[in-house]
Amino acid sequence: EVQLVESGGGLMQPGGSLRLSCAASGFTVTSNSMNWIRQAPGKGLEWVSSIYSGANTYYADSVKGRFTVSRDKSKNTVYLQMNSLRLEDTAVYYCAREPSGTDAFDIWGQGTMVTVSS
Amino acid sequence: DIQMTQSPSTLSASVGDRVTITCRASQSVSSWLAWYQQKPGKAPKLLILKASSLASGVPSRFSGSGSGTEFTLTISSLQPDDFATYYCQQYNAYSPLYTFGQGTKVEIK
Repeated sequence: EVQLVESGGGLMQPGGSLRLSCAASGFTVTSNSMNWIRQAPGKGLEWVSSIYSGANTYYADSVKGRFTVSRDKSKNTVYLQMNSLRLEDTAVYYCAREPSGTDAFDIWGQGTMVTVSS
Repeated sequence: DIQMTQSPSTLSASVGDRVTITCRASQSVSSWLAWYQQKPGKAPKLLILKASSLASGVPSRFSGSGSGTEFTLTISSLQPDDFATYYCQQYNAYSPLYTFGQGTKVEIK
């Protein structure tokens, strides 16, 4: 079965760090573009970061310099390292697959909640 | 940055109604436009990609059209399972790579 399972969310203080994981099954993360998308409570969807099949990485301006996306081929897992967390980073973080050439997210994980609060 | 504006923000409709949601881009996105359905507490589900291609397993009552800056999602006959929030999403080669509309909530009339 093709699926994504996120983990690693939690409650953090401002300025703290957290690493989210996205474990894939049924397909290979290195053959697809893998993305992180977040949704603040009661709000819409916001693209956060992408790692393309060729390993190029991209970030929204709101997280550039603070977040880092990476992947581990042997574990078939994508990561989002989140540093210098801010109150406005509070959201459900989704991992999503984008098959090459589609520019659309066809498989989503269940999401993991990140709460930044003092 | 490319802005995506959906209208209406909320739509009240009855089962069996034909429903149309509009998404406008602040500049041309060609046909790089997707539509998603999201229910409370759940991840979004891809409905339409490349403006008009139905995603795998999506019922044929959903359809998409448009190109450039104006796009529509149409539900030909609204079903009870269709009450949800719908988002459009664009891709472009510049940052931010992907932008979502603010969402349209389809409610029971």
